[in-house]
Amino acid sequence: GAGVSQSPSNKVTEKGKDVELRCDPISGHTALYWYRQSLGQGLEFLIYFQGNSAPDKSGLPSDRFSAERTGGSVSTLTIQRTQQEDSAVYLCASSTGLAGGNTDTQYFGPGTRLTVL
Amino acid sequence: EDKVVQSPLSLVVHEGDTVTLNCSYEVTNFRSLLWYKQEKKAPTFLFMLTSSGIEKKSGRLSSILDKKELSSILNITATQTGDSAIYLCAAGIQGAQKLVFGQGTRLTINP
Repeated sequence: GAGVSQSPSNKVTEKGKDVELRCDPISGHTALYWYRQSLGQGLEFLIYFQGNSAPDKSGLPSDRFSAERTGGSVSTLTIQRTQQEDSAVYLCASSTGLAGGNTDTQYFGPGTRLTVL
Repeated sequence: EDKVVQSPLSLVVHEGDTVTLNCSYEVTNFRSLLWYKQEKKAPTFLFMLTSSGIEKKSGRLSSILDKKELSSILNITATQTGDSAIYLCAAGIQGAQKLVFGQGTRLTINP
């Protein structure tokens, strides 16, 4: 696609429910990232995929958070037993994965605003 | 712990003014400094800086990195209302693909 797309754009859920957020990266981008942005804060790294594997999961805040990527393309971020503190905008980014030893420019999607009541 | 700090957190100016946004970083194995503009939700890429003292320019925006001072500035000249946004600074790290973001500067340009 032309850019990174995410769905849904907004999600309201009740505390304790599970949610799934979807990210569709730029076509051909092998690297994919998830970040979380709480109100008035910068972006907090969650997880990085290269292809279908996740060499860096260091930002996942708890074992209620998991992510997978299939076919080297679409990724889903799943939050189980949601808590109110999970409310945030969840942003996905992708990059070519070809930067080698350099920083790979990341291109962001519009995010999913999650509200946990 | 890797850290990026931006200042000011909020800035309100009049159209036509020039603004300077600041970013300082404390990261192990620093590799690069990136600036993004966030208007609604999706941050859009502005600049990536890896070499100290070399200015990057795009129209009315410019940025420079000072590795000695562990800092970068983003300048916007002749500001327009369309420049109103949150400006995010991020550090790229050697051996990792994640970016470490600052908390952002919310810039408001009044007509």
